[in-house]
Amino acid sequence: DVKVTQSSRYLVKRTGEKVFLECVQDMDHENMFWYRQDPGLGLRLIYFSYDVKMKEKGDIPEGYSVSREKKERFSLILESASTNQTSMYLCASSPRGQLKETQYFGPGTRLLVL
Amino acid sequence: DQQVKQNSPSLSVQEGRISILNCDYTNSMFDYFLWYKKYPAEGPTFLISISSIKDKNEDGRFTVFLNKSAKHLSLHIVPSQPGDSAVYFCAASGAQGGSEKLVFGKGTKLTVNP
Repeated sequence: DVKVTQSSRYLVKRTGEKVFLECVQDMDHENMFWYRQDPGLGLRLIYFSYDVKMKEKGDIPEGYSVSREKKERFSLILESASTNQTSMYLCASSPRGQLKETQYFGPGTRLLVL
Repeated sequence: DQQVKQNSPSLSVQEGRISILNCDYTNSMFDYFLWYKKYPAEGPTFLISISSIKDKNEDGRFTVFLNKSAKHLSLHIVPSQPGDSAVYFCAASGAQGGSEKLVFGKGTKLTVNP
């Protein structure tokens, strides 16, 4: 089974803090994604990566950055946390191939910024 | 502009009856569609998918129908069970230079009453 793990299930931070959210997948997937989920807004893509050291902006990248130094690990960074970044953050991975592939999600990190 | 729309935020059905969740899309370049199920405080889990070359895909109690001319898909759950109570997300891919990115709808919360 594909396993995607996220470093924390719940996190409380203060405004202005630098926040790191870590995601690790164990299936050698090339693609990794970060989403946030908010009530009434569904899942919105923040950043994604097709390969090590590669990253592309999603729909809402402002206020976030990412790092992918190893294939299995994709980090989301909030440079200076703000209250409007309080949300559920979801990491996903998928293999790259010619066939359509499913994204597999981690359990999520619920972040509260005070 | 929302490319994938789930116009019903919630749906309530009786146990044993059929649940029908609807999804509309606007981009005719989408060629692969997925449904995900999400319980509170967990990551979404893949449920079923359909390629644009098909109009129906079935997996046990779950069937997805695709009407390309109407740009509409639906998920049928028969019979519905209380454990099916969750938020269901419709997703689509294929529109923007690669199959890896998914565009999600805002979700429909299904409640199955015993």
